[in-house]
Amino acid sequence: DSGVTQTPKHLITATGQRVTLRCSPRSGDLSVYWYQQSLDQGLQFLIQYYNGEERAKGNILERFSAQQFPDLHSELNLSSLELGDSALYFCASSVGDSYTGELFFGEGSRLTVL
Amino acid sequence: TQLLEQSPQFLSIQEGENLTVYCNSSSVFSSLQWYRQEPGEGPVLLVTVVTGGEVKKLKRLTFQFGDARKDSSLHITAAQPGDTGLYLCAGQGGSYIPTFGRGTSLIVHP
Repeated sequence: DSGVTQTPKHLITATGQRVTLRCSPRSGDLSVYWYQQSLDQGLQFLIQYYNGEERAKGNILERFSAQQFPDLHSELNLSSLELGDSALYFCASSVGDSYTGELFFGEGSRLTVL
Repeated sequence: TQLLEQSPQFLSIQEGENLTVYCNSSSVFSSLQWYRQEPGEGPVLLVTVVTGGEVKKLKRLTFQFGDARKDSSLHITAAQPGDTGLYLCAGQGGSYIPTFGRGTSLIVHP
């Protein structure tokens, strides 16, 4: 158990819909990272928050947004969903700005868009 | 964007065999991590290497960071079915955000 909690574990929805994925980091961790994992692309970095502020952006689509709340939990919002958005979405946390690159991952949220 | 190439992509072996998987890049990394991911789970950190030429051992797993800090290898001795999983390497370069390779999928048959 990494200490990172993600909900929901599975989500099935239709094209055009909007979903919210939630992540609670390990106790004491200030940074939250979101990654998308698909068979053809591997693990792709989406976005990072540190202590409530956006710190780094990766290959995140404009239809996607995220935020980190004062209690440090984070939400990833995916809107106008397309079939290609079907993937595993992982949240990871680290104590600081991940100086050493060591991340602790949740179990992921599997999104299926029909 | 730093690209990490992992090889082989797939590996299917018998229990007791030895194996090596590779992680290569044209970029220099300040640190590199190896993770193992099992089906339905998130990646779990195995090790971090930071110094060129560094070798770290974790029971039957030996990790090496290349002298130029552009590549790494993971060697497993006497593989066991419990070693089955997806092995991912991740590197930090100019950006501290870890970039992941696509992984090596290992199956160890009893």
